[in-house]
Amino acid sequence: TQLLEQSPQFLSIQEGENLTVYCNSSSVFSSLQWYRQEPGEGPVLLVTVVTGGEVKKLKRLTFQFGDARKDSSLHITAAQPGDTGLYLCAGPAPGTASKLTFGTGTRLQVTL
Amino acid sequence: NAGVTQTPKFQVLKTGQSMTLQCAQDMNHNSMYWYRQDPGMGLRLIYYSASEGTTDKGEVPNGYNVSRLNKREFSLRLESAAPSQTSVYFCASIKGGAYNEQFFGPGTRLTVL
Repeated sequence: TQLLEQSPQFLSIQEGENLTVYCNSSSVFSSLQWYRQEPGEGPVLLVTVVTGGEVKKLKRLTFQFGDARKDSSLHITAAQPGDTGLYLCAGPAPGTASKLTFGTGTRLQVTL
Repeated sequence: NAGVTQTPKFQVLKTGQSMTLQCAQDMNHNSMYWYRQDPGMGLRLIYYSASEGTTDKGEVPNGYNVSRLNKREFSLRLESAAPSQTSVYFCASIKGGAYNEQFFGPGTRLTVL
């Protein structure tokens, strides 16, 4: 059973469109992280959200942590081909502060 | 700084062969991790090392061994490779602080025939 469920699994959109990807759990997390992984590379941290209801912006990317700290979303405005990649959410694994559990990811393809 | 480096980038093994994946970080991080990534399965933790001299099992440790050689280096060994170990392997280290934000290497793509 996956602790963090991401949706959609795949998303193919054209340049300029907006999109939202979701990371959901039945468990409460003290924090959640978002990573982006480009083809052939390792994941790179985008942001960490730590407070329920928190909104963080990174240029055209907006991250939100749910009020109950069980879910998070990533909204991309005016997507560009450079946004193409696998988006992963991650949070502390149950019962430990030293390990992360990852969602299965949303694979985004942005075409011209 | 090179960050987290991994060697080799690609490897093909035959069933039963052994090999060691190497990982090094130059960020003076205490904790290091080995993950495997399979389609539809996300990143799964194989082993981790919270500090030099300690190692612990993760979610999928069977068939693997690790060595934390020093603070910089953390290796993953497959003693007798199996086709089920075909995967992309990532090493990561933790920046430190409250949220265990991870820095990943570029990965090793391993195929076991």
